[in-house]
Amino acid sequence: GEDVEQSLFLSVREGDSSVINCTYTDSSSTYLYWYKQEPGAGLQLLTYIFSNMDMKQDQRLTVLLNKKDKHLSLRIADTQTGDSAIYFCAEGRNFNKFYFGSGTKLNVKP
Amino acid sequence: DAGVTQSPTHLIKTRGQHVTLRCSPISGHKSVSWYQQVLGQGPQFIFQYYEKEERGRGNFPDRFSARQFPNYSSELNVNALLLGDSALYLCASSLEVLGPLLNNEQFFGPGTRLTVL
Repeated sequence: GEDVEQSLFLSVREGDSSVINCTYTDSSSTYLYWYKQEPGAGLQLLTYIFSNMDMKQDQRLTVLLNKKDKHLSLRIADTQTGDSAIYFCAEGRNFNKFYFGSGTKLNVKP
Repeated sequence: DAGVTQSPTHLIKTRGQHVTLRCSPISGHKSVSWYQQVLGQGPQFIFQYYEKEERGRGNFPDRFSARQFPNYSSELNVNALLLGDSALYLCASSLEVLGPLLNNEQFFGPGTRLTVL
């Protein structure tokens, strides 16, 4: 919504790395998030990054932010079948609005 | 501790009717946000309420309204329902107003599935 875009599908083999990409248009966005949604389950926050950062690493997750190109990516190392889900990027604006992308469905093949 | 709870879990209405959805935030959380998630799409931001006041509104018509009570629970009201209002309505709570504050993560409820016939 509100111009946060993601590719719809990604398929990887178990043990490979997954890279999910996201682009946004509002340069005033101050913080960006990655959420995971599994069938029948609620949205789960995975990680977030402030707009003054370029990279954040959290165990198997690495977030890269290219503010010039308004491009955000989430890398999942050693992807497991349990990582199969829909991944949403989201941006926060002005402390009062929150916008999600359309989601990337990650399929991990054994 | 209970997480964010929403009621009802499912609801079927007909066009033109009115609906009220309810949300109870995590104890101690003062901010509640509402989202609409249409099948196959990401959640769309509707409202943020903090300390009983509207702090943010997404691009939704005036048929959508909400309020927050002194105990920080919240209601989302939708009038004159349209077929396109069929969606999963998500409520999320956070300690403070949306923002990159320490421990200010949004926690989402399971949602209310609204079907408009």
